[in-house]
Amino acid sequence: TQLLEQSPQFLSIQEGENLTVYCNSSSVFSSLQWYRQEPGEGPVLLVTVVTGGEVKKLKRLTFQFGDARKDSSLHITAAQPGDTGLYLCAGAGSSGTYKYIFGTGTRLKVLA
Amino acid sequence: NAGVTQTPKFRILKIGQSMTLQCTQDMNHNYMYWYRQDPGMGLKLIYYSVGAGITDKGEVPNGYNVSRSTTEDFPLRLELAAPSQTSVYFCASRPGLAGEQFFGPGTRLTVL
Repeated sequence: TQLLEQSPQFLSIQEGENLTVYCNSSSVFSSLQWYRQEPGEGPVLLVTVVTGGEVKKLKRLTFQFGDARKDSSLHITAAQPGDTGLYLCAGAGSSGTYKYIFGTGTRLKVLA
Repeated sequence: NAGVTQTPKFRILKIGQSMTLQCTQDMNHNYMYWYRQDPGMGLKLIYYSVGAGITDKGEVPNGYNVSRSTTEDFPLRLELAAPSQTSVYFCASRPGLAGEQFFGPGTRLTVL
């Protein structure tokens, strides 16, 4: 069974601080996605990474896929209250991308 | 386009009752998914479908059934509801193997 562990589970920081969220597994994934979910809504896709070592930037968010495609990180620079939410990683297994396995989630709160 | 719509938004069931959660998408996507999300956690895949007439089990299929008679609709059936099925249920769709997954707004189900 493929598992994705995210850390930290909870994070409360002040506006302007930097943070990194980690997504780790012992399994190899063919691609990995990051989502943000706000209360009462479904997750919304932020990025998909497919190549080992790949780095993608989305404004203040930087996503990295590990060289071995077993882990990923999300770094937020100068966090803002609008970044508050539940961040989820999701990996597509090596057997195909029909199914995505979701991580345990990181709940971020950015205080003004 | 309405995207992915789910009904109802909220429902309270008594133990042993049954119900169908409705999911419809108007994007002509082949792939559709049902997930459940327990409080503060990530998403667990219940069932998925890669096209009309084709369904398969995910990580947590016990106690649920699905059907996919059309491209647009992917209902989830709960038979003999149990308190362990108290959760938020999300339906999602995507166009193909590499496409973005779009989520519905969710159905919050409580079994008492």
